[in-house]
Amino acid sequence: DSGVTQTPKHLITATGQRVTLRCSPRSGDLSVYWYQQSLDQGLQFLIHYYNGEERAKGNILERFSAQQFPDLHSELNLSSLELGDSALYFCASSVGDRGFSTEAFFGQGTRLTVV
Amino acid sequence: SQQGEEDPQALSIQEGENATMNCSYKTSINNLQWYRQNSGRGLVHLILIRSNEREKHSGRLRVTLDTSKKSSSLLITASRAADTASYFCAKGQAGTALIFGKGTTLSVSS
Repeated sequence: DSGVTQTPKHLITATGQRVTLRCSPRSGDLSVYWYQQSLDQGLQFLIHYYNGEERAKGNILERFSAQQFPDLHSELNLSSLELGDSALYFCASSVGDRGFSTEAFFGQGTRLTVV
Repeated sequence: SQQGEEDPQALSIQEGENATMNCSYKTSINNLQWYRQNSGRGLVHLILIRSNEREKHSGRLRVTLDTSKKSSSLLITASRAADTASYFCAKGQAGTALIFGKGTTLSVSS
Protein backbone atom coordinates (compact mmCIF):
# COMPACT_ATOMS: atom_id res chain seq x y z
CA ASP A 1 0.00 0.00 0.00
CA SER A 2 1.60 3.25 -1.20
CA GLY A 3 -0.55 5.45 1.02
CA VAL A 4 -1.97 7.25 -2.00
CA THR A 5 -5.70 6.75 -2.45
CA GLN A 6 -7.55 7.21 -5.69
CA THR A 7 -11.29 7.02 -6.21
CA PRO A 8 -13.15 5.69 -7.98
CA LYS A 9 -11.23 2.62 -9.17
CA HIS A 10 -13.36 2.22 -12.24
CA LEU A 11 -15.54 4.66 -14.14
CA ILE A 12 -17.64 4.10 -17.23
CA THR A 13 -19.24 7.10 -18.85
CA ALA A 14 -20.56 8.29 -22.18
CA THR A 15 -18.95 10.60 -24.67
CA GLY A 16 -19.56 14.27 -23.96
CA GLN A 17 -19.87 13.75 -20.23
CA ARG A 18 -17.78 15.19 -17.39
CA VAL A 19 -16.13 13.21 -14.60
CA THR A 20 -14.07 13.98 -11.54
CA LEU A 21 -11.25 11.79 -10.31
CA ARG A 22 -10.04 12.15 -6.75
CA CYS A 23 -6.66 11.62 -5.14
CA SER A 24 -5.55 11.72 -1.54
CA PRO A 25 -1.76 11.91 -1.24
CA ARG A 26 0.37 10.20 1.36
CA SER A 27 0.29 11.83 4.73
CA GLY A 28 2.82 14.65 4.76
CA ASP A 29 3.27 14.85 0.99
CA LEU A 30 2.59 18.29 -0.43
CA SER A 31 3.04 17.48 -4.12
CA VAL A 32 0.49 15.72 -6.27
CA TYR A 33 1.12 14.69 -9.85
CA TRP A 34 -1.41 13.37 -12.36
CA TYR A 35 -0.52 10.95 -15.13
CA GLN A 36 -2.50 9.36 -17.93
CA GLN A 37 -1.58 5.90 -19.13
CA SER A 38 -2.86 4.54 -22.41
CA LEU A 39 -1.60 1.70 -24.56
CA ASP A 40 -0.44 3.89 -27.41
CA GLN A 41 0.89 6.89 -25.48
CA GLY A 42 2.41 5.28 -22.43
CA LEU A 43 2.58 7.26 -19.20
CA GLN A 44 1.96 10.93 -19.90
CA PHE A 45 2.51 13.59 -17.29
CA LEU A 46 -0.51 15.86 -17.04
CA ILE A 47 -0.08 18.33 -14.19
CA HIS A 48 1.69 18.98 -10.88
CA TYR A 49 0.36 20.76 -7.81
CA TYR A 50 2.30 21.71 -4.74
CA ASN A 51 0.55 22.83 -1.59
CA GLY A 52 -2.45 24.07 -3.52
CA GLU A 53 -0.60 25.81 -6.31
CA GLU A 54 -0.15 24.63 -9.87
CA ARG A 55 3.54 24.08 -10.52
CA ALA A 56 3.85 22.48 -13.94
CA LYS A 57 1.76 21.37 -16.84
CA GLY A 58 2.50 18.53 -19.16
CA ASN A 59 0.39 17.12 -21.96
CA ILE A 60 -2.90 18.14 -20.43
CA LEU A 61 -5.78 18.92 -22.74
CA GLU A 62 -7.77 22.12 -22.33
CA ARG A 63 -10.82 19.96 -21.59
CA PHE A 64 -9.02 18.71 -18.49
CA SER A 65 -8.40 20.68 -15.33
CA ALA A 66 -7.22 19.95 -11.83
CA GLN A 67 -6.97 21.53 -8.43
CA GLN A 68 -5.49 20.79 -5.05
CA PHE A 69 -7.48 21.69 -1.98
CA PRO A 70 -6.31 23.00 1.42
CA ASP A 71 -6.44 19.48 2.85
CA LEU A 72 -4.05 18.54 0.00
CA HIS A 73 -6.34 16.15 -1.79
CA SER A 74 -6.57 16.75 -5.50
CA GLU A 75 -9.22 16.37 -8.16
CA LEU A 76 -8.80 15.93 -11.88
CA ASN A 77 -11.78 17.05 -13.92
CA LEU A 78 -12.27 15.66 -17.39
CA SER A 79 -14.97 17.21 -19.54
CA SER A 80 -16.46 16.75 -23.01
CA LEU A 81 -15.13 13.23 -22.88
CA GLU A 82 -14.10 11.46 -26.04
CA LEU A 83 -13.47 7.79 -26.74
CA GLY A 84 -9.75 8.52 -26.83
CA ASP A 85 -9.79 9.68 -23.21
CA SER A 86 -10.27 6.09 -22.10
CA ALA A 87 -7.17 5.32 -20.06
CA LEU A 88 -5.76 4.68 -16.63
CA TYR A 89 -5.32 7.87 -14.65
CA PHE A 90 -2.76 7.83 -11.88
CA CYS A 91 -1.88 10.28 -9.24
CA ALA A 92 1.41 10.25 -7.43
CA SER A 93 2.69 12.17 -4.46
CA SER A 94 6.05 13.20 -3.13
CA VAL A 95 7.36 15.12 -0.19
CA GLY A 96 8.49 18.41 -1.65
CA ASP A 97 8.12 20.66 -4.63
CA ARG A 98 11.56 20.10 -6.03
CA GLY A 99 10.47 17.45 -8.42
CA PHE A 100 11.18 13.83 -7.84
CA SER A 101 14.45 14.12 -5.98
CA THR A 102 13.21 11.17 -3.99
CA GLU A 103 10.83 8.37 -4.79
CA ALA A 104 7.29 8.93 -5.93
CA PHE A 105 4.33 7.06 -4.52
CA PHE A 106 1.61 6.10 -6.93
CA GLY A 107 -2.01 5.34 -6.32
CA GLN A 108 -3.70 2.32 -7.85
CA GLY A 109 -5.27 4.43 -10.55
CA THR A 110 -8.73 5.11 -11.93
CA ARG A 111 -9.65 3.17 -15.03
CA LEU A 112 -11.82 5.41 -17.18
CA THR A 113 -13.82 3.92 -20.01
CA VAL A 114 -15.66 6.27 -22.32
CA VAL A 115 -18.37 4.60 -24.40
CA SER B 1 8.92 13.87 -26.18
CA GLN B 2 9.56 10.98 -23.87
CA GLN B 3 12.57 11.07 -21.59
CA GLY B 4 13.74 7.65 -20.55
CA GLU B 5 13.35 5.15 -23.31
CA GLU B 6 13.59 1.52 -22.34
CA ASP B 7 15.01 -1.27 -24.41
CA PRO B 8 13.96 -3.93 -25.21
CA GLN B 9 10.23 -3.33 -25.37
CA ALA B 10 9.57 -6.92 -24.37
CA LEU B 11 11.67 -9.64 -22.78
CA SER B 12 10.81 -13.28 -22.12
CA ILE B 13 13.02 -15.47 -19.95
CA GLN B 14 12.91 -18.57 -17.80
CA GLU B 15 12.89 -18.57 -14.04
CA GLY B 16 16.39 -18.41 -12.66
CA GLU B 17 17.78 -16.44 -15.58
CA ASN B 18 18.91 -12.85 -15.35
CA ALA B 19 16.99 -10.03 -16.99
CA THR B 20 18.64 -6.86 -18.23
CA MET B 21 16.76 -3.78 -19.29
CA ASN B 22 18.30 -0.63 -20.65
CA CYS B 23 17.25 2.98 -20.52
CA SER B 24 18.50 5.93 -22.51
CA TYR B 25 17.71 9.57 -21.90
CA LYS B 26 18.37 12.81 -23.68
CA THR B 27 19.11 15.60 -21.23
CA SER B 28 20.94 15.99 -17.94
CA ILE B 29 19.48 14.44 -14.82
CA ASN B 30 19.57 14.77 -11.08
CA ASN B 31 18.73 11.10 -10.70
CA LEU B 32 17.28 8.19 -12.61
CA GLN B 33 14.60 5.99 -11.13
CA TRP B 34 13.22 2.57 -11.97
CA TYR B 35 9.65 1.54 -11.32
CA ARG B 36 7.70 -1.69 -11.68
CA GLN B 37 4.08 -1.97 -12.69
CA ASN B 38 2.10 -5.14 -12.37
CA SER B 39 -0.67 -5.39 -14.91
CA GLY B 40 -3.12 -2.52 -14.56
CA ARG B 41 -1.87 -1.51 -11.15
CA GLY B 42 0.04 1.45 -9.77
CA LEU B 43 3.75 1.93 -10.25
CA VAL B 44 6.05 0.87 -7.46
CA HIS B 45 9.39 2.53 -6.92
CA LEU B 46 12.32 0.10 -7.14
CA ILE B 47 15.51 2.07 -6.97
CA LEU B 48 16.91 5.56 -7.42
CA ILE B 49 20.42 6.25 -8.61
CA ARG B 50 21.84 9.73 -8.40
CA SER B 51 23.83 11.33 -11.18
CA ASN B 52 27.06 11.08 -9.18
CA GLU B 53 26.61 7.35 -8.58
CA ARG B 54 27.63 4.62 -11.00
CA GLU B 55 26.09 1.52 -9.51
CA LYS B 56 23.50 0.66 -6.91
CA HIS B 57 22.15 -2.59 -5.51
CA SER B 58 18.90 -3.51 -3.85
CA GLY B 59 18.35 -7.20 -3.19
CA ARG B 60 18.32 -8.93 -6.59
CA LEU B 61 18.36 -5.62 -8.42
CA ARG B 62 21.43 -3.91 -9.74
CA VAL B 63 21.29 -0.56 -11.49
CA THR B 64 24.11 1.11 -13.34
CA LEU B 65 24.30 4.64 -14.64
CA ASP B 66 26.60 6.01 -17.32
CA THR B 67 26.04 9.75 -17.54
CA SER B 68 28.52 10.12 -20.39
CA LYS B 69 26.38 7.81 -22.52
CA LYS B 70 23.14 9.01 -20.94
CA SER B 71 22.11 5.46 -20.23
CA SER B 72 21.19 3.19 -17.37
CA SER B 73 20.57 -0.50 -17.01
CA LEU B 74 18.51 -2.56 -14.60
CA LEU B 75 19.61 -6.11 -13.92
CA ILE B 76 17.32 -8.53 -12.14
CA THR B 77 19.22 -11.62 -11.09
CA ALA B 78 17.73 -15.07 -10.63
CA SER B 79 14.34 -14.00 -11.97
CA ARG B 80 11.14 -15.40 -10.54
CA ALA B 81 7.68 -15.68 -12.01
CA ALA B 82 6.63 -12.91 -9.61
CA ASP B 83 9.00 -10.54 -11.42
CA THR B 84 6.67 -10.60 -14.41
CA ALA B 85 5.69 -6.96 -14.85
CA SER B 86 6.45 -3.83 -16.83
CA TYR B 87 9.53 -1.88 -15.86
CA PHE B 88 9.92 1.83 -16.42
CA CYS B 89 12.79 4.19 -16.07
CA ALA B 90 12.20 7.84 -15.36
CA LYS B 91 14.40 10.88 -15.26
CA GLY B 92 14.30 12.75 -11.99
CA GLN B 93 15.19 16.37 -11.92
CA ALA B 94 14.55 19.05 -9.34
CA GLY B 95 11.65 21.26 -10.25
CA THR B 96 10.10 18.99 -12.84
CA ALA B 97 7.86 15.97 -12.85
CA LEU B 98 9.11 12.47 -13.55
CA ILE B 99 8.97 11.68 -17.24
CA PHE B 100 8.57 8.02 -18.08
CA GLY B 101 9.45 5.94 -21.08
CA LYS B 102 7.14 3.30 -22.53
CA GLY B 103 8.63 0.55 -20.45
CA THR B 104 9.93 -2.98 -20.88
CA THR B 105 7.47 -5.81 -20.44
CA LEU B 106 9.17 -8.70 -18.69
CA SER B 107 7.68 -12.16 -18.76
CA VAL B 108 9.25 -14.83 -16.57
CA SER B 109 8.03 -18.34 -17.13
CA SER B 110 8.43 -21.26 -14.76
